[in-house]
Amino acid sequence: QQQVKQSPQSLIVQKGGIPIINCAYENTAFDYFPWYQQFPGKGPALLIAIRPDVSEKKEGRFTISFNKSAKQFSLHIMDSQPGDSATYFCAARPGNNRKLIWGLGTSLAVNP
Amino acid sequence: NAGVTQTPKFQVLKTGQSMTLQCAQDMNHNSMYWYRQDPGMGLRLIYYSASEGTTDKGEVPNGYNVSRLNKREFSLRLESAAPSQTSVYFCASSTPGGRQPQHFGDGTRLSIL
Repeated sequence: QQQVKQSPQSLIVQKGGIPIINCAYENTAFDYFPWYQQFPGKGPALLIAIRPDVSEKKEGRFTISFNKSAKQFSLHIMDSQPGDSATYFCAARPGNNRKLIWGLGTSLAVNP
Repeated sequence: NAGVTQTPKFQVLKTGQSMTLQCAQDMNHNSMYWYRQDPGMGLRLIYYSASEGTTDKGEVPNGYNVSRLNKREFSLRLESAAPSQTSVYFCASSTPGGRQPQHFGDGTRLSIL
């Protein structure tokens, strides 16, 4: 069963647009929510992460919004650029476990 | 800074052949992981090793074996390859502590005919 549900599966925006990728979870024991970015032919790399005691975190043009009561979190990319075209994965960590539970990924294309 | 190095980068096998995927990290990380990535399936954990000398099954361990050779190296073996094991395989490593990022290699693209 999918413990972290990610949507949409794919997304196309114009340069300067604000793509939003959403993730939802059920397990209230999750206590760490990272986002990873993957370019073609490369492995995923950590982009930004948030803990459930914080409602928003910004790093440059990337922002995570976290809604604990709704058990949802989302990634916003401000002023998106063609170089942001990649696959984005959300993930969640259950408690004191090293393993991550991954979403299925969102393929983002930013058109020039 | 090599990070996580995977070999080979590409491999084609025939059904029933065996092979070992190699992974080495130079970041002195204790934990190491093997994932497979298939279209529409995201990243699925095959095996992981919390520390040298320990290994545990992940989500999809059937058909695979692993060896944590030392702190640096974690190998994945396919004893009798099947077409269903055609995938991109990623190795990752991390320091102890669940909020530490996992560092990934660039993957091994494996095709089984």
